[in-house]
Parts: sequence; structure tokens; C-alpha cells
Amino acid sequence: EVVLTQSPGTLSLSPGERATLSCRASQSFSSRYLAWYQEKLGQAPRLLIYGASNRATGIPDRFSGTGSGTDFTLTISSLEPEDFAVYYCQYYGNSITFGGGTKVEIK
Amino acid sequence: VQLVESGGGLIQPGGSLRLSCAASGFTFNSFWMHWVRQVPGKGLVWVSRINSDGSNTTYAGSVKGRFTISRDNAKNTLYLQMNSLRAEDTAVYYCARDATPLWYGVNYFDNWGQGTLVTVSS
Repeated sequence: EVVLTQSPGTLSLSPGERATLSCRASQSFSSRYLAWYQEKLGQAPRLLIYGASNRATGIPDRFSGTGSGTDFTLTISSLEPEDFAVYYCQYYGNSITFGGGTKVEIK
Repeated sequence: VQLVESGGGLIQPGGSLRLSCAASGFTFNSFWMHWVRQVPGKGLVWVSRINSDGSNTTYAGSVKGRFTISRDNAKNTLYLQMNSLRAEDTAVYYCARDATPLWYGVNYFDNWGQGTLVTVSS
């Protein structure tokens, strides 16, 4: 089973700053099998990125995903107030697993 | 697209519960569907999936043999029958739609319900 480790656990930033979130896998896999979600308190998760770098429908272009092999990154180029949330990466190849999440909080 | 879960509640260890997920706003019988759970304050854990016609199901190891996923396409409803419940099954259970209406499923999720809380405790 692919284990995903997200870092940092918490990211404290100010609106307008750049956020860089990491997702590291226990084994290498094709980037086509990596997604990112955003979860806000009391709300269902929202798909942001699939295939490591493809934005889902309606997702602003300040969200971008990169990576390959075992190292994947979600970048938010300039944080908006509504972006403060928890972010999860997901592997969806021959099994389905999620990372432990990164909380992006207001500094 | 709307997904509305129901059926959660407080149940004693060893008990059974059936969750439902009512779907609307899309062609339900074209999509694989999934259950994902989340212990409050913790991360997401995939539980089970079912293909569009209900003939193919898969489970996480932690629930295999105890949980059964099913669907009624005539009623646009997804189910999760949970038996032999344990304290560690306590979580919010989300139903989620597979992101594309492909016969093989893609296993990432573009629409989620709001979840239903299952609490297993004596």
C-alpha cells in the first residue's frame, strides 16, 4: 500500500503569501494517480487537482500541482482568505489512500 | 449534483447500521460511487467502492467482511451496511462520486455529501 506523508503539518501564513505543501509517497507511482483536496471546517472535501497537475472544474489558477515519482507539491500562489483550510493528497492507483493533511492557518 | 447521507447515529459495539446516500442532479447509474470516512479532527480514509451497475465492489481491509456496499439505481441511492461495528469505526461517513462516468472508474472524487456521523460506543 502506498503511504502518503504530508508536510508540514501546519503552515502559518498571511493572506497574499505563497503556500507550498508537500506530499511524499512511500513508493514511486505515476503522477496520473495523485489528487489534492481542500477541506474547510464543517464542509465536505473539494477536489482541487487530479493527475498531479490538472485543476478540477472551477478551481482558480492560483492553485497548481506539480511532482512525479514520490514527491508532489501543491502550491497556492497568493493566499486568499478563503484558502485557509486543510489540504489532503490522495493516491488512487491500485489502491486508494490519503495523506494525513496539512492545515494552512492564518498567521 | 447533490449527495445526501443519512442513517448515522449512536450504536453499541457489535451492532449494525445501514447508511444511505440519496443522489440527485446527475445520471446516478453512470458513475462508480464510494464511501470515505473521517474520524472527527483526523484524516480521510477510503472505505469502499461500487461500480455503476453494482456488480463490482471493493473494500478497505479494515472493513472487509463486516461492511457491504450496494446501490439501487432505480432509487438513485447508495448504501453501506455496517455489521459487527467497533469503536474504531466511529467516524463521519461521506459518500462520494467518482470523478468521471467511465466504466472502469478513476477513483478520485469530484462531489461529496456532507457526511453522517456514526458513533460506536456502549
